[in-house]
Amino acid sequence: EVQLVESGGGLVQPGGSLRLSCAASGFAFSSYNVNWVRQAPGRGLEWVSYISSTSNTIYYADSVKGRFTISRDNAKNSLYLHMNSLRDEDTAVYYCAKGLRPLADWGQGTLVTVSS
Amino acid sequence: EIVMTQSPATLSVSPGERATLSCRASQSVSSNLAWYQQKPGQAPRLLIYGASTRATGIPARFSGSGSGTEFTLTISSLQSEDFAVYHCQQYNNWPPVTFGQGTRLEIK
Repeated sequence: EVQLVESGGGLVQPGGSLRLSCAASGFAFSSYNVNWVRQAPGRGLEWVSYISSTSNTIYYADSVKGRFTISRDNAKNSLYLHMNSLRDEDTAVYYCAKGLRPLADWGQGTLVTVSS
Repeated sequence: EIVMTQSPATLSVSPGERATLSCRASQSVSSNLAWYQQKPGQAPRLLIYGASTRATGIPARFSGSGSGTEFTLTISSLQSEDFAVYHCQQYNNWPPVTFGQGTRLEIK
């Protein structure tokens, strides 16, 4: 069974930093592209970032470009999102998701709240 | 960036009846469209991909149709567990993949 478990969310002040993690199991993590997708409270889904299986290809949404960094460690079956210069509008549940075309499996999400 | 527009924002339907949800793309996405179901407090779940292919384990009462810019998700006979928010997503032109704003399907 595919499992994706996010962690690292919490309350952070504007301008602060946070690192999210996603632990994968139940599939060959190193063979799959993975993403971060977020959902602000009461809002729709917004794709944040993509990383290919070998980390050779990385993309970001314009809204986070230059502030967020996606990375992965295939030896640890883990995906990361380093978030800097956080803004109020980054407040959301952050999901990791396997695949892209489509997003076949999702974790349960971790809540990031940016507030003073 | 391709803009996805879902309608209606909220749909009220009685159990056992048919529900029809729409999704429109600002330009053609061919058949590269997916539908997801999301229940309160849960992650989205993939229902349909390639506009009309059901994901593993999805009941036959869910069907998708359309291509180009106009797409439809039909639930043929609503069960209590089907009341949720439904999102469409295009993955034809990326990055970025883009989602619609969601349709809330509620019990009438």
